[in-house]
Amino acid sequence: QSALTQPASVSGSPGQSITISCTGTSSDVGGYNYVSWYQQHPGKAPKLMIYDVSKRPSGVSNRFSGSKSGNTASLTISGLQAEDEADYYCCSYAGSSAVVFGGGTKLTVL
Amino acid sequence: EVQLVESGGGLVQPGGSLRLSCAASGFTFSSYAMHWVRQAPGKGLEYVSAISSNGGSTYYANSVKGRFTISRDNSKNTLYLQMGSLRAEDTAVYYCARVGRYSKVLDYWGQGTLVTVSS
Repeated sequence: QSALTQPASVSGSPGQSITISCTGTSSDVGGYNYVSWYQQHPGKAPKLMIYDVSKRPSGVSNRFSGSKSGNTASLTISGLQAEDEADYYCCSYAGSSAVVFGGGTKLTVL
Repeated sequence: EVQLVESGGGLVQPGGSLRLSCAASGFTFSSYAMHWVRQAPGKGLEYVSAISSNGGSTYYANSVKGRFTISRDNSKNTLYLQMGSLRAEDTAVYYCARVGRYSKVLDYWGQGTLVTVSS
């Protein structure tokens, strides 16, 4: 149950696009199309932004998109806005009802 | 509206026990698997435990296996986490989360309850 690998931090200017990667193994990211992404503001609970690799829950901006290739998933945020500044976590199903999370990426909007 | 409300957190001494509860509303609780996820101060999210919709199957992270027990009471729409032999490294905010009906996604989360293990 090793954590998925994410960059510790990324940054971008308002209006730009950024991509956060999430690397796992064939036992998690590569083995299932059950990758999700969560946004977490300080002191708040995680909020679901992307599920099943690329699906957006109702109410989530279409500026957020997800993809996967092999053992690596990615979250792209386009048209960066100040309110996007937060921590982002990827999560993958890992079999036997277990999930595994990435270490988290701090997004700074410059 | 789906709501998950955790309670039961607090300060406990190393080696002690604590039971967390998660009260669910706004959906048919008995139809959904549930998870506990924790977050140590300043750290990332960590899977703790999962339980099937009828409570018949339970799963644990290696870090808590043998010390924590997950359970549910579908008649009370409540999820539990019985924590024992607590260690300093169990200090965290504990979240309950619902597993999506047709996916493995944790689609709704509670606000969390803080557990502090310290003498």
